[in-house]
Amino acid sequence: AQRVTQPEKLLSVFKGAPVELKCNYSYSGSPELFWYVQYSRQRLQLLLRHISRESIKGFTADLNKGETSFHLKKPFAQEEDSAMYYCALRGGSEKLVFGKGTKLTVNP
Amino acid sequence: DAGITQSPRYKITETGRQVTLMCHQTWSHSYMFWYRQDLGHGLRLIYYSAAADITDKGEVSDGYVVSRSKTENFPLTLESATRSQTSVYFCASTQDARGGYTFGSGTRLTVV
Repeated sequence: AQRVTQPEKLLSVFKGAPVELKCNYSYSGSPELFWYVQYSRQRLQLLLRHISRESIKGFTADLNKGETSFHLKKPFAQEEDSAMYYCALRGGSEKLVFGKGTKLTVNP
Repeated sequence: DAGITQSPRYKITETGRQVTLMCHQTWSHSYMFWYRQDLGHGLRLIYYSAAADITDKGEVSDGYVVSRSKTENFPLTLESATRSQTSVYFCASTQDARGGYTFGSGTRLTVV
């Protein structure tokens, strides 16, 4: 079974502080992991995928197969980072399985 | 990404009525998906389609019907709406089975 766990429903940090949004997955094969972001009342947008190994808007995420994690990190949070963040897993098919999401609030 | 559009943006319907949510994409992407977004549940897959005339159920397909007669359209029908189907519905598409999805703007459906 494929499962994505985002343990924090809500995360609140101050502007300039580091932020880490946790994502753990369950899948027996080689997964593809994604992070999507949804700003207030907007559509979901692809933020990162692990195979790209890129940094978008200052965010990075590293796939740790030993810990089955794909945590999203940013060293200095900005107010405009406030949004809903979803981790997603693709296993052996074209379907994405999403976590329940973490709402990030960056306070001034 | 105006290439995938959903209509209507907002819909209020009564229990027991049939309602259809539309999704249209202009890229001729092969794969299309319907998710519902609910607080505490995240996004859950309702139905997906790998090509025209090929559809398959997701994890929460009961009470929903889809069709894909044309590649660019993937309508979702609630046969007899229930209050539990009050949700935000997102359509998504991708050309590459291994690629990321592009999402529509969503339809906020309220069943009263």
